[in-house]
Amino acid sequence: SQQGEEDPQALSIQEGENATMNCSYKTSINNLQWYRQNSGRGLVHLILIRSNEREKHSGRLRVTLDTSKKSSSLLITASRAADTASYFCARLETSGSRLTFGEGTQLTVNP
Amino acid sequence: DVKVTQSSRYLVKRTGEKVFLECVQDMDHENMFWYRQDPGLGLRLIYFSYDVKMKEKGDIPEGYSVSREKKERFSLILESASTNQTSMYLCASSSLGAPPNTGELFFGEGSRLTVL
Repeated sequence: SQQGEEDPQALSIQEGENATMNCSYKTSINNLQWYRQNSGRGLVHLILIRSNEREKHSGRLRVTLDTSKKSSSLLITASRAADTASYFCARLETSGSRLTFGEGTQLTVNP
Repeated sequence: DVKVTQSSRYLVKRTGEKVFLECVQDMDHENMFWYRQDPGLGLRLIYFSYDVKMKEKGDIPEGYSVSREKKERFSLILESASTNQTSMYLCASSSLGAPPNTGELFFGEGSRLTVL
């Protein structure tokens, strides 16, 4: 498959714990982006990391990118019940101008 | 804030009907996209457009067509709906912007289509 692979497919944690989601891909990328989707709603952009960056922070989010391993991870620290959602990685390939999405990780944060 | 509006949140249609899904964005974005989302398959690109009256096939264009007569509006058309087109349809837009294009997408709330 040319799509990104995400794991785990589902993750259930307790409020206050950290959540880590991983994304792998197969081709060279320009950047990699993470999106969030609440149940039955559209996707919302969270954070973007460029191919020449290794780590990026935004509030409780931390994204890392390892281009040698063609993988990225999204860490949500001190999770809250409101973080319950599906999280998708999407990559912008160097050869193209459109995003390709992974299949997503369903995160459940239990109060 | 960017707003992408999809005209219908929920639709129920019968097999063989012609279905129009409308999408409007208010940020003067050049690029517009139609995805469908199915459990276990993620988001798959149906069609996209980089300019008025321009369209490009995505990964799964069969059974669909699109129309972009105005910059702000991108319509998805199912000429003859079939049950396997039951899905969540997501419209998105992005700015061409200054290079490098970030590709960040702004999504609508989705249209859940059921074909009986």
